[in-house]
Amino acid sequence: AQTVTQSQPEMSVQEAETVTLSCTYDTSESDYYLFWYKQPPSRQMILVIRQEAYKQQNATENRFSVNFQKAAKSFSLKISDSQLGDAAMYFCAYRSANAGNNRKLIWGLGTSLAVNP
Amino acid sequence: EAQVTQNPRYLITVTGKKLTVTCSQNMNHEYMSWYRQDPGLGLRQIYYSMNVEVTDKGDVPEGYKVSRKEKRNFPLILESPSPNQTSLYFCASSFQGANYGYTFGSGTRLTVV
Repeated sequence: AQTVTQSQPEMSVQEAETVTLSCTYDTSESDYYLFWYKQPPSRQMILVIRQEAYKQQNATENRFSVNFQKAAKSFSLKISDSQLGDAAMYFCAYRSANAGNNRKLIWGLGTSLAVNP
Repeated sequence: EAQVTQNPRYLITVTGKKLTVTCSQNMNHEYMSWYRQDPGLGLRQIYYSMNVEVTDKGDVPEGYKVSRKEKRNFPLILESPSPNQTSLYFCASSFQGANYGYTFGSGTRLTVV
């Protein structure tokens, strides 16, 4: 069974600085998708960025980028020019491309990010 | 606005009193799913639906029911809630393709006393 591990329960960053959140996963599959979701205090779960495993190029969305290392099964999230609104819980999630009908996401336990002014 | 609408946002109920949490999406998504979020356990899938009249169990289906009579709606039913179902519940939807991320509802904080 696949698992997702986020080894940093809490992190903090100064406003305008860069921070990297770690995520590792365990799978025997070669085809899958990886996601980072943000959950602010409002509880809303917001998709930040996604990566297809068959793509070598790292995904980028504005200030958010990933470092996808398929062989190492690592999927870290880098937030550049951190803003106060980035303070949230961040979840890493895995989805098999071969899960049949179920599109289930397998989740890490999250990293709580604080942004200091 | 494309969204998943989940109601209510907060609910306190007593053990054994049947309740329904509604979920509706306006994006014509085929796939819908319910998750519960608990501290230390993360998010776990309760039920999912591939399309109208097609539903199946996720990882923690005990004590829950769902239905998918219309494409846009996917209610979660707790016929006899118990305190261990106190949790934060999320409805989510996506297109059929596995590479799409979910769109989530805003969550329902349920407390069963």
